[in-house]
Amino acid sequence: EPEVTQTPSHQVTQMGQEVILRCVPISNHLYFYWYRQILGQKVEFLVSFYNNEISEKSEIFDDQFSVERPDGSNFTLKIRSTKLEDSAMYFCASSDPSEGGYTFGSGTRLTVV
Amino acid sequence: GQQLNQSPQSMFIQEGEDVSMNCTSSSIFNTWLWYKQDPGEGPVLLIALYKAGELTSNGRLTAQFGITRKDSFLNISASIPSDVGIYFCAGRNTGNQFYFGTGTSLTVIP
Repeated sequence: EPEVTQTPSHQVTQMGQEVILRCVPISNHLYFYWYRQILGQKVEFLVSFYNNEISEKSEIFDDQFSVERPDGSNFTLKIRSTKLEDSAMYFCASSDPSEGGYTFGSGTRLTVV
Repeated sequence: GQQLNQSPQSMFIQEGEDVSMNCTSSSIFNTWLWYKQDPGEGPVLLIALYKAGELTSNGRLTAQFGITRKDSFLNISASIPSDVGIYFCAGRNTGNQFYFGTGTSLTVIP
């Protein structure tokens, strides 16, 4: 069963530091996404990425966030200067519209201290 | 962003009972999905629905795409302890964007 792989599974960082969350989407998928989930709350959309550019982003995805597909397999989310409220689970997902739903990774738990 | 209202927020049921939960939206969606999330894990797709009125089953789970395209329902029959988790609905609009519901936390009492 193809899966979306995320690393690290847990990252602790100091406020103000930059973090990069990494994802390897399913190889034949064309759409990539980042979502976050603050503890006990619903999953929130951050950004979608298609054809090497951002196709849509939410109001959460401000100038502190950026995404990149540096090579043919990785998809990264960078937070430039982390804030305490950035602490959350961050999920990567990929999709092929012909298949319908997303496939999610198991998430990276980011803790900002 | 678009709002998906999911209810109930939480359910405590006895093992063997049936479960029903639903999701409503102010907007029309082209696709409805139902996910289950275990603690510390990513959401796992349970059922995908693509047409208004569609009724789809996956084992003990049955989901329906509402006729108005603004709602969806998930039923779980004969619940078992491993059904415990948070269930999320998600709808996809014409822009290929998914929006998630607020989740239903299910507890099954043996």
